[in-house]
Amino acid sequence: DTAVSQTPKYLVTQMGNDKSIKCEQNLGHDTMYWYKQDSKKFLKIMFSYNNKELIINETVPNRFSPKSPDKAHLNLHINSLELGDSAVYFCASSQPGQVETQYFGPGTRLLVL
Amino acid sequence: AQSVTQLGSHVSVSEGALVLLRCNYSSSVPPYLFWYVQYPNQGLQLLLKYTSAATLVKGINGFEAEFKKSETSFHLTKPSAHMSDAAEYFCALGGSNYKLTFGKGTLLTVNP
Repeated sequence: DTAVSQTPKYLVTQMGNDKSIKCEQNLGHDTMYWYKQDSKKFLKIMFSYNNKELIINETVPNRFSPKSPDKAHLNLHINSLELGDSAVYFCASSQPGQVETQYFGPGTRLLVL
Repeated sequence: AQSVTQLGSHVSVSEGALVLLRCNYSSSVPPYLFWYVQYPNQGLQLLLKYTSAATLVKGINGFEAEFKKSETSFHLTKPSAHMSDAAEYFCALGGSNYKLTFGKGTLLTVNP
């Protein structure tokens, strides 16, 4: 049973394209996150949703748009992809009250050519 | 502002030797501290967490970490390294705003 799953695992695309990454968690958590890990392995939060409501929106280009259709899903849509968007994107979830232990998905490796 | 500093981007040890990965933090509120491990091409897995209950925290795979408020540190140790411990290790700081602030990671290599 995968707790936090992401699709696709790998994504190779051309500059200027639009792509989406999907995330699902079966832990019953209320809060979900998107992180970006750059080529130097640095992890930075991008967005967080709590019960489908956006609660964290870091300084991210507005080409990135998260959507949470329900509290078990958090998708990330990226418009007009740029070379600098190449990274690994991680989804995570947590349950407030459990000291914010965040459970991570396996990551989506995005390569923009 | 919250920040995490991991001293040493790369630590190399021999199999069976002590592992020590350093983490210092800065926080204006009582901190929650975590260590995560990332194996190649995988997601992050929680090793252990500090929640103010006990300063010495035991985690999975024989790892432990000690919270020292006076030194603002939360170093990760393991008495005897195993080849399977080779991975990237991240220290992270949480507060009350859902946000985790990560250090830049330390790559641990274990030599036979």
